[in-house]
Amino acid sequence: GMPVEQNPPALSLYEGADSGLRCNFSTTMKSVQWFQQNHRGRLITLFYLAQGTKENGRLKSTFNSKERYSTLHIKDAQLEDSGTYFCAARGTNAYKVIFGKGTHLHVLP
Amino acid sequence: AQTIHQWPVAEIKAVGSPLSLGCTIKGKSSPNLYWYWQATGGTLQQLFYSITVGQVESVVQLNLSASRPKDDQFILSTEKLLLSHSGFYLCAWSLRTNNNQAPLFGEGTRLSVL
Repeated sequence: GMPVEQNPPALSLYEGADSGLRCNFSTTMKSVQWFQQNHRGRLITLFYLAQGTKENGRLKSTFNSKERYSTLHIKDAQLEDSGTYFCAARGTNAYKVIFGKGTHLHVLP
Repeated sequence: AQTIHQWPVAEIKAVGSPLSLGCTIKGKSSPNLYWYWQATGGTLQQLFYSITVGQVESVVQLNLSASRPKDDQFILSTEKLLLSHSGFYLCAWSLRTNNNQAPLFGEGTRLSVL
């Protein structure tokens, strides 16, 4: 299968709702990054994790290398959270980064 | 000041014409450099990476070439563009001395091949 499987492909949320995105890995990964891509294509780094959990405001991410997954949780969704979210993982080759297919998030008023 | 600069911001080119996209890193010594491509509405695919001047590794073959003529410069090029080359090209860098650092991305170049 795909080295990085990201779900869901698309997600619609009302403002104020909570939700989560997930990436599953077919092999053991050393680190994972989560990005938000805005309408201009700019990739904004949300998190970089080699293990464990990180939080930043309304966002929280977890990476479990042993269980081969990572999650991004969005709390109290806001209109400006709309965009495409990608996870990207690095395996044993530190120079190769593999992206998931992305989640198109639409926050509704 | 921005560390990573890509040029041009956007290009419209004819099929069969040559292409050269540039990426410059300021203020970082011997960075690792990367090229990525994103089809419209698609995910990002890593094309090349370079650890040092003159050394480039190919990850995905898309009839493109990359070169690293200087420590702070990474060039993506082709002699003949295909329609399938259209998309968004992103350059990224990371510190060679820290393999745990996440790559940091430039603003990208949007390419339309007609």
